Amino acid sequence: SAVISQKPSRDICQRGTSLTIQCQVDSQVTMMFWYRQQPGQSLTLIATANQGSEATYESGFVIDKFPISRPNLTFSTLTVSNMSPEDSSIYLCSVEWGASETQYFGPGTRLLVL
Amino acid sequence: AQSVTQLGSHVSVSEGALVLLRCNYSSSVPPYLFWYVQYPNQGLQLLLKYTTGATLVKGINGFEAEFKKSETSFHLTKPSAHMSDAAEYFCAVRVSGGYNKLIFGAGTRLAVHP
Repeated sequence: SAVISQKPSRDICQRGTSLTIQCQVDSQVTMMFWYRQQPGQSLTLIATANQGSEATYESGFVIDKFPISRPNLTFSTLTVSNMSPEDSSIYLCSVEWGASETQYFGPGTRLLVL
Repeated sequence: AQSVTQLGSHVSVSEGALVLLRCNYSSSVPPYLFWYVQYPNQGLQLLLKYTTGATLVKGINGFEAEFKKSETSFHLTKPSAHMSDAAEYFCAVRVSGGYNKLIFGAGTRLAVHP
């Protein structure tokens, strides 16, 4: 499986600011995904990011709030814009590696918005 | 639409006892099913998966799951619980076609007591 890293691992931010989360993979992957895990809850898909195309957002998530970049096959960023305390969550990236038909997850970014 | 239901948000077992975590799915097509584990302050780790073929799937750490189409179930079991198994467990179904996203159940928190 691929080795996936995320930066930062955690952060505390003030409301109204923005935070960009990075996801780096040690091998080339076509499909990358961004999920949100609110406190005590399950994972919800924010968007799918394929290299060379615009990210596809799930219902309830919009590009203005969660802009995503996917400049190459090993890297993606998710920005959480104009943050409010409701954005306090764990944000996880995942990749579908090769022909595995399986998603592997990064360690997550723990965000607290005050 | 595909969905996943995990029965029991909290399960508590004694060390050495059988672990049974329940997962039922809804899918109009043959599903790909997954179990992930999340240890405190960590990302998700793949335990096992069912795609096609043998319906009894063995995973890491002594866990296994059986795909039962007639019952639309994919319950996770382990014959003998260990203290280190205490974690949150998520069942997920892969939505095929398009961007192959995962839909997660609500999760089951497993506690293991001496």
